[in-house]
Amino acid sequence: GNSVTQMEGPVTLSEEAFLTINCTYTATGYPSLFWYVQYPGEGLQLLLKATKADDKGSNKGFEATYRKETTSFHLEKGSVQVSDSAVYFCALPSINAGGTSYGKLTFGQGTILTVHP
Amino acid sequence: DAGVTQSPTHLIKTRGQQVTLRCSPISGHKSVSWYQQVLGQGPQFIFQYYEKEERGRGNFPDRFSARQFPNYSSELNVNALLLGDSALYLCASWGGQGDTQYFGPGTRLTVL
Repeated sequence: GNSVTQMEGPVTLSEEAFLTINCTYTATGYPSLFWYVQYPGEGLQLLLKATKADDKGSNKGFEATYRKETTSFHLEKGSVQVSDSAVYFCALPSINAGGTSYGKLTFGQGTILTVHP
Repeated sequence: DAGVTQSPTHLIKTRGQQVTLRCSPISGHKSVSWYQQVLGQGPQFIFQYYEKEERGRGNFPDRFSARQFPNYSSELNVNALLLGDSALYLCASWGGQGDTQYFGPGTRLTVL
């Protein structure tokens, strides 16, 4: 089945530093890929997504490129802010025998990001 | 439009009790998925319902059950609660193939 591996955390950065959070995946076919963010005490919010190879998803200064050749979807931001402190999850949908997704997301273990002023 | 709503926000139960969690999806979405998120881990898939039918089930015991109503809202039931059931329970609303899952704020369940 589909699986996701995220880089070990936590990650601690100073404000305005460059951020990379690694995500690699194993999947049948070429599913959409997602990054979700979870702020303290809250549910998950969609951060960005990419639907096919070489697509770049972007939102709020974050970017991630769907790399089929390396099965990766690394999250990057050029200059982090204190307000970016949260847990970040890489995720992909499962595909059934018919080749369609059926509403199950598989998540990585999450990466805790702490940004200091 | 309202997003995904869940109730209650927090819940405290004792071992052996039963609990019911509720979710209303985004208007127009016919699918609801349930996830369990234990502290420090990523969400784990429990169930998916589409148009009132179960379409997927994760690796959870039969103590966990769910249903979906004609208005596409859903309930998750957990019987004979164990300490290990303490978690954040997330509901996700999905419009179907090719769409994105949108999550509610979750219900924090504590089992004492």
